[in-house]
Parts: sequence; structure tokens; C-alpha cells
Amino acid sequence: DTAVSQTPKYLVTQMGNDKSIKCEQNLGHDTMYWYKQDSKKFLKIMFSYNNKELIINETVPNRFSPKSPDKAHLNLHINSLELGDSAVYFCASSQRGTQETQYFGPGTRLLVL
Amino acid sequence: KNEVEQSPQNLTAQEGEFITINCSYSVGISALHWLQQHPGGGIVSLFMLSSGKKKHGRLIATINIQEKHSSLHITASHPRDSAVYICAVDPGADGLTFGKGTHLIIQP
Repeated sequence: DTAVSQTPKYLVTQMGNDKSIKCEQNLGHDTMYWYKQDSKKFLKIMFSYNNKELIINETVPNRFSPKSPDKAHLNLHINSLELGDSAVYFCASSQRGTQETQYFGPGTRLLVL
Repeated sequence: KNEVEQSPQNLTAQEGEFITINCSYSVGISALHWLQQHPGGGIVSLFMLSSGKKKHGRLIATINIQEKHSSLHITASHPRDSAVYICAVDPGADGLTFGKGTHLIIQP
């Protein structure tokens, strides 16, 4: 059974479109995260959710919005996609906060043309 | 803002060699993570440390809180250890801050 899953794995789209990436964890964890890995492979936190409450938002453009329908899901919606949004987006979860081991999803490779 | 520096950036070694990857950070933290990113792109958490030393198989991670420094060691390295190793620190407020990674290649 996959602990943290993301869909889709690959996403190719045009500039200006709106897209969503879904993330689900079956570990019963309280905290979920979205990270962006740029073309230089540098990882950066975007958001985290703890019990459906947003607790980190790292200067991410407001075109990006996380949505958590329940504790097991944290979806990422992106409006008006730009070329610079092309990256790999990783979802992760941990039991309670960043002082616990994090479990990563397989990543979603987004290419904006 | 916490700066995380890893060294070396790239490391090529022969199978069986003892490997050390270093991580230094600039401000106090509550925890430090070592992650491994496989050539296929998947990320796995190796260790989460707040003090001392942890060992898992051939991997050992140490942290010196006073020196703001951590090391990841691989004993008896094997080609399957080839990956990018990423250090990430948790200052306890704004989520993890990542280093740029160390690209390790172990040649047979």
C-alpha cells in the first residue's frame, strides 16, 4: 500500500491554465506539506497543513492555494499557470509537525508550455 | 533566516569506500533531517536528529548542536548508494530549510 500518493505523476499544460494536483496519505498523520523542487533540484517548502489548518505559507504567490477536504488529503490548486511554475511538486506528511520523520509522495512533474 | 550549507556538492568514490557528507547551518534548530533522493526522483527520509548520533544499517548520522554541524556517513559504500543526499533543518517555526544536496556516485 502506498503511504503518500500523488496524482497526476506528470502534467503538461499551457500557460494561463488552471490545474490541480492531488495528494493523499494513509498513515493517519496530522501534518501534510507541499514542496517545490526547481530545475536546480533545490527544495523549498510551500505549505503545510496541521489538522486542516494552514500553518506555513512561504511567500508563495496567491495563484497557489492548498485545499484540505480532510486530514488525509492536501490538494494543490494553481491558477493562471506561468512558465516559472514548471517544477516537481512533492507532497509529504508527518505524524505531528516538522520534528517528526516526513514521508514523501513520488512527486508531480509539472511542465508549463 | 537559516542558511544550510552542504559539502561536498559532488562526490565520486569507489565501491567499499567510507563516505562522509557534511551539513552546516547558521541558526539554532529543533531538528535536522537527512533525505535521500534516488536517480528516479523519489525522496526518502533517512534520519531525523535533534542530538547525538543515529545508525541504520550502513548509514550513520551525527549532529553537534553547539557547532551547528551534522555529518552523514556511509560505510562500505555500494553503487546502489548513488543518489542525492539532502540536509534539511527545522528552526521550529517556518518549516524545513533545505541544503542544495550532495550528488554521490559510487563506482563499482
